[in-house]
Amino acid sequence: GENVEQHPSTLSVQEGDSAVIKCTYSDSASNYFPWYKQELGKRPQLIIDIRSNVGEKKDQRIAVTLNKTAKHFSLHITETQPEDSAVYFCAAVPNAGGTSYGKLTFGQGTILTVHP
Amino acid sequence: DTEVTQTPKHLVMGMTNKKSLKCEQHMGHRAMYWYKQKAKKPPELMFVYSYEKLSINESVPSRFSPECPNSSLLNLHLHALQPEDSALYLCASSHFSLRGGAARPELAKNIQYFGAGTRLSVL
Repeated sequence: GENVEQHPSTLSVQEGDSAVIKCTYSDSASNYFPWYKQELGKRPQLIIDIRSNVGEKKDQRIAVTLNKTAKHFSLHITETQPEDSAVYFCAAVPNAGGTSYGKLTFGQGTILTVHP
Repeated sequence: DTEVTQTPKHLVMGMTNKKSLKCEQHMGHRAMYWYKQKAKKPPELMFVYSYEKLSINESVPSRFSPECPNSSLLNLHLHALQPEDSALYLCASSHFSLRGGAARPELAKNIQYFGAGTRLSVL
């Protein structure tokens, strides 16, 4: 089955700095990669996602890059703000055809702390 | 509306109790999920329902019993739980369905929308 590794497990930055979180996946059949943000005591919320036919996607201060050959994808947050502090999870989803179709496999999470 | 509603928000139960968690969505999604999440860990998939039928059971102990009465509702019945079952239980829904998914690639993104969860404590 799919295995997703996420690094770092904790990340501390100053407000205004950039933050980068990296994930690798094992199953070449995965073709959809969402990122979820989970604030303390709240639900995971999708913040950005990318399909395997796209190398980069950007939404305001957040961007995701995907290297399908190397099987890794990254989340980039620029101009970080204290409200960006949360746990961030990457995930991989396999494509159609297998019994795992549709299953999210999550990384272990990154605790991001943005200091004012 | 991307709302998935879970009740109750908090639940404390003894090991001999029987209780149920409820989840509701009105987005027309035909796939619904139960996850278990421990503190600072990723959600762990427990069950997937597709078109009201159980399609994935991730080897969950029988003390957890899911039920999908209709396309909008998902229940998780709890009985004889152990203290280690204390966790946040999350429900999610998505357009994805094991039926016909390959024929509709626009659904292949499988965006899952999560509820706020039920924080369960087993004493």
